[in-house]
Amino acid sequence: NAGVTQTPKFQVLKTGQSMTLQCAQDMNHNSMYWYRQDPGMGLRLIYYSASEGTTDKGEVPNGYNVSRLNKREFSLRLESAAPSQTSVYFCASRASGSSYNEQFFGPGTRLTVL
Amino acid sequence: DAKTTQPPSMDCAEGRAANLPCNHSTISGNEYVYWYRQIHSQGPQYIIHGLKNNETNEMASLIITEDRKSSTLILPHATLRDTAVYYCIVRVALGFQKLVFGTGTRLLVSP
Repeated sequence: NAGVTQTPKFQVLKTGQSMTLQCAQDMNHNSMYWYRQDPGMGLRLIYYSASEGTTDKGEVPNGYNVSRLNKREFSLRLESAAPSQTSVYFCASRASGSSYNEQFFGPGTRLTVL
Repeated sequence: DAKTTQPPSMDCAEGRAANLPCNHSTISGNEYVYWYRQIHSQGPQYIIHGLKNNETNEMASLIITEDRKSSTLILPHATLRDTAVYYCIVRVALGFQKLVFGTGTRLLVSP
């Protein structure tokens, strides 16, 4: 099992450009999440998907959109990138019905917006 | 959600036990204590969780006080690879979960 994979690993954008961050998991998990982590800070939740076909806003959703393409894949889109979106983005997944809250995280995408 | 308070940084000598404290004085009866860690540049990794009993797994031990207002994560024999930021999170166990990460404790294990 690859676990949670994210592409790309690194990306540099110019202000106003758009891009989509991809996330996939092969653990048959129902719930998926997107977090961002700014330097010296903890993770902040951007969007989440409790199950296939549903998505909801987290703490910092402005400037982002998401798509739960199927059970495996959950993408994060920046329509018009801004320097404030320079961050490391982590995707995570969790099995529903789990009696505890273990989330499995991907390796992250390091995004710089100039 | 119960808030947590952790020291910003701690040091530990390699081979010694690392004891990382967490205060969660507003914890509710149905909330669990979870610990995650984040090794530099990697995604967070689950370590352990508990409700009120002490817990142990292959990575660490979790000691929760009787009043549940604080807990301690113990790494019994810290190695250099345990250098990381450790996050204490309090959440209910069932239903859909959104983890709320604070700034954690930066543990530095030195030779």
